[in-house]
Amino acid sequence: GAGVSQTPSNKVTEKGKYVELRCDPISGHTALYWYRQSLGQGPEFLIYFQGTGAADDSGLPNDRFFAVRPEGSVSTLKIQRTERGDSAVYLCASSDIAGGPGTQYFGPGTRLLVL
Amino acid sequence: QKEVEQDPGPLSVPEGAIVSLNCTYSNSAFQYFMWYRQYSRKGPELLMYTYSSGNKEDGRFTAQVDKSSKYISLFIRDSQPSDSATYLCAMSAGSNGNQFYFGTGTSLTVIP
Repeated sequence: GAGVSQTPSNKVTEKGKYVELRCDPISGHTALYWYRQSLGQGPEFLIYFQGTGAADDSGLPNDRFFAVRPEGSVSTLKIQRTERGDSAVYLCASSDIAGGPGTQYFGPGTRLLVL
Repeated sequence: QKEVEQDPGPLSVPEGAIVSLNCTYSNSAFQYFMWYRQYSRKGPELLMYTYSSGNKEDGRFTAQVDKSSKYISLFIRDSQPSDSATYLCAMSAGSNGNQFYFGTGTSLTVIP
């Protein structure tokens, strides 16, 4: 079956602009995670959804970052007033709540470049 | 101090060698320990997943967890050029809905 998909695969924007990054999780997966991976670093947790609600948003760096998952499936990560330091790969992962960490699957990521 | 420490390498070995990758951590609440493989411009792919201390083997891969030393390892036997990738360790305190803490990743190249 299809894995986690993310669009766009690459996004180039200018400092100060608004961007939206989309994640389509594996069908039936109730848990959805966003991570940010900077060059040469491991992924850093941003936010976790269980169903439609954000169960843990403690990793969001500041109020310019916001994520939604209105119908419990697709999620959108929104970044306002982008800064050059936001440039990174944004990874989405989904998992079956009953399966635990062993069922967490990552998408290919969206590479964001802020000029 | 970072939650998870991992030597970034790079590590270069000849084909057929045994590879040892390691991570240390500081949070004693971690109970779930994962190893991911990440190819260039791809998302991380789960290789091994271990709960608590002990060993787990899957084909050429063996994961070890020593909670008393807060140290985990991944061994790759008979390494192949296709194993060339970045290997990330990750840990979490709970089984569901808990954020993963990742190491920086170790870049591995297996030379034919």
